[in-house]
Amino acid sequence: QSALTQPASVSGSPGQSITVSCTGTSSDVGKYNLVSWYQHHPGLAPRVIIYEGTKRPSGVSNRFSGSMSDNTASLTISGLQAEDEADYHCCSYAGNTSWVFGGGTKLTVL
Amino acid sequence: QVQLVQSGAEVKKPGASVKVSCKASGYSFNTYDMMWARQATGQGLEWMGWMNPGNGNTGYAQRFQGRVTMTRSAPISTAYMELSGLTSEDTAVYYCATYEYPYGMHVWGRGTTVTVSS
Repeated sequence: QSALTQPASVSGSPGQSITVSCTGTSSDVGKYNLVSWYQHHPGLAPRVIIYEGTKRPSGVSNRFSGSMSDNTASLTISGLQAEDEADYHCCSYAGNTSWVFGGGTKLTVL
Repeated sequence: QVQLVQSGAEVKKPGASVKVSCKASGYSFNTYDMMWARQATGQGLEWMGWMNPGNGNTGYAQRFQGRVTMTRSAPISTAYMELSGLTSEDTAVYYCATYEYPYGMHVWGRGTTVTVSS
């Protein structure tokens, strides 16, 4: 099972919007509606910010949104804030009780 | 609140095994599956496998088959991940996380650093 493809890094200024892509295949992202996104500040525990591709857990800011198209999932963060600077990981169910993560994207808030 | 507390850092020699623990609190241990993932420096997260704490059923990523074992001790609400045949490529931070369909991995431990060095 190959890792999902994410850009290594993205950046944006405070107040701007950025989008992180997560590209898989028709066997994972494109087949199951089970993509989740995780925010990870170094040294802390990761936390889920999007599940089922587009849904936000309670307590997660509505500045975070997810979308799905064919074999690609995307995470958009609007109104960038300094606290958003972190690593972002996508994850998809891949069938046969297996899961696959992306390579992670480092977000820098300029 | 739901919390996962992992065991401390480990340093191992090549060829050895490591067993990482993950103690759950704040919920009934059988409620959620337990996932394990790892992250090497400069790399993304890598899914290793899952375990159903209720019946002990497990599923492992293909690349770890034969080398990883996930177990639990229900009386102390603790899950374990043991990885054998360690090489320097297993140097990473290892995480446990609760999983609930369809909400994803909703609570994570803070990670256990495993260093493999001769």
